[in-house]
Amino acid sequence: VQLVQSGAEVKKPGASVIVSCKTSGYTFISYYIHWVRQAPGQGLEWMGIVNPSGGRTTYAQKFQGRVTMTRDTSTSTVYMEVNSLRSEDTAVYYCARGPTSWYGRHYFDYWGQGTLVTVSS
Amino acid sequence: EIVLTQSPATLSLSPGDRATLSCRASQSVSSHLAWYQQKPGQGPRLLIYDTSNRATGIPARFSGSGSGTDFTLTISSLEPEDFAVYYCQQCNDWPPLTFGGGTKVEIK
Repeated sequence: VQLVQSGAEVKKPGASVIVSCKTSGYTFISYYIHWVRQAPGQGLEWMGIVNPSGGRTTYAQKFQGRVTMTRDTSTSTVYMEVNSLRSEDTAVYYCARGPTSWYGRHYFDYWGQGTLVTVSS
Repeated sequence: EIVLTQSPATLSLSPGDRATLSCRASQSVSSHLAWYQQKPGQGPRLLIYDTSNRATGIPARFSGSGSGTDFTLTISSLEPEDFAVYYCQQCNDWPPLTFGGGTKVEIK
């Protein structure tokens, strides 16, 4: 199982960023994918979840309206777009694999390597 | 939102010592709690899920216990590679999934 994320990004305030997470080694549509971020020197913050099978998403309230998670089943890739970036969005963004069922235990057994997004004027 | 509070923030120990890390939830999470280890420059690694089950490949020196609102991660005898930051995470009541603030286990 591998989750390989896109490379580091530097963006200006107000811009948007798209981070990709290409998966392999398992059946893509069978496992939920979560996004978690970590600001420099800080803890982990859950952002949301996407169902690779049907595309259904649920976002943390803090990010609703500013984050969009999508998937491409043809390439087994999940995407996360963050709009209206501000300096507080500077963080490492991780994709992580969840369970096979919405009613399963949402722990993260495999993680991407992380993508550093720096927001600076 | 369930708030997880980890203590202590930093634990200064020597190799071979026993480490005891605490995670307290603002309301019951039943047994639906996990522990992760994170080393500098790396993503987190799942250690323990459902309070006490070791994830695949995790050494037996790592153990978890607790229920309801109080949980403990114990490392029976610290190896050099165990010095890292540890996070707890709950999935009993979500969204949002929440993490504790972390405990850093450092070399004394």
